[in-house]
Amino acid sequence: AQSVSQHNHHVILSEAASLELGCNYSYGGTVNLFWYVQYPGQHLQLLLKYFSGDPLVKGIKGFEAEFIKSKFSFNLRKPSVQWSDTAEYFCAVIRSSASKIIFGSGTRLSIRP
Amino acid sequence: GAGVSQSPSNKVTEKGKDVELRCDPISGHTALYWYRQSLGQGLEFLIYFQGNSAPDKSGLPSDRFSAERTGGSVSTLTIQRTQQEDSAVYLCASSLLAGEHYNEQFFGPGTRLTVL
Repeated sequence: AQSVSQHNHHVILSEAASLELGCNYSYGGTVNLFWYVQYPGQHLQLLLKYFSGDPLVKGIKGFEAEFIKSKFSFNLRKPSVQWSDTAEYFCAVIRSSASKIIFGSGTRLSIRP
Repeated sequence: GAGVSQSPSNKVTEKGKDVELRCDPISGHTALYWYRQSLGQGLEFLIYFQGNSAPDKSGLPSDRFSAERTGGSVSTLTIQRTQQEDSAVYLCASSLLAGEHYNEQFFGPGTRLTVL
C-alpha cells in the first residue's frame, strides 16, 4: 500500500538555523507531491507542490522542496527559519491517476526566538 | 462563502450517541474530502466525493461511519454509536477537480469531536 513517511516528529531550531524536513513515499509510479502547513489555530494550507518539470520547487515564505525520484523523497528546506515558521508540516502524495491523497503523520516545528 | 466552513467547531458527546458533522465546500468545487486528524497520526483519509460519481468510501474505519453529499454541495459525516476512539479533529477539504488534473485542496477549520 502507498505510504508517506515523515521521520521527524518534532524538530526544534533556533531562529536563522537552516531547516530540512524529510519525506519519503513508497509508491514507484508517477506521483504528485505536496507540502501542507498548519500554523497554530489556523487551517491547513498548501505550502508547495510538484507535478512535473523542475524537481526543485519553490513555495511560499521562502520554502523549497526537491523531488528526488531515485530516493522516493521530497524533502522540505528553508535556509533560515523564523519564529513565525512554528507550525506542523505535512507531506502528501497522490498517484497521478488516483483521487486519494495520502498524508504523512506530520512534523511539528518549534522555533526558539 | 470565501472558504470551506465546518460546523460545529467543537462537539462533545457521550459514548453510544450519534453525531453529525457538516461541511460547506467552496462554491463551484466539485470534489469534497473528509479526513480525520488524530494526535500523532497525521491525516487519515475517510471518504471522497467527486461530482455525481459514486463516492470513494475506502477510508471509512467502520460501518458506523457514513457520509452523504446533497446536491453536489454540502456534505454531512455521520458517526453512529460513537466510541472514545472516534475522538479526533474531522477535517473537510474541497478542490475544483481531482485525479489526473489534481487541484489544490482547501481545508476547513475542522470539527473537534470528543467522546466521553
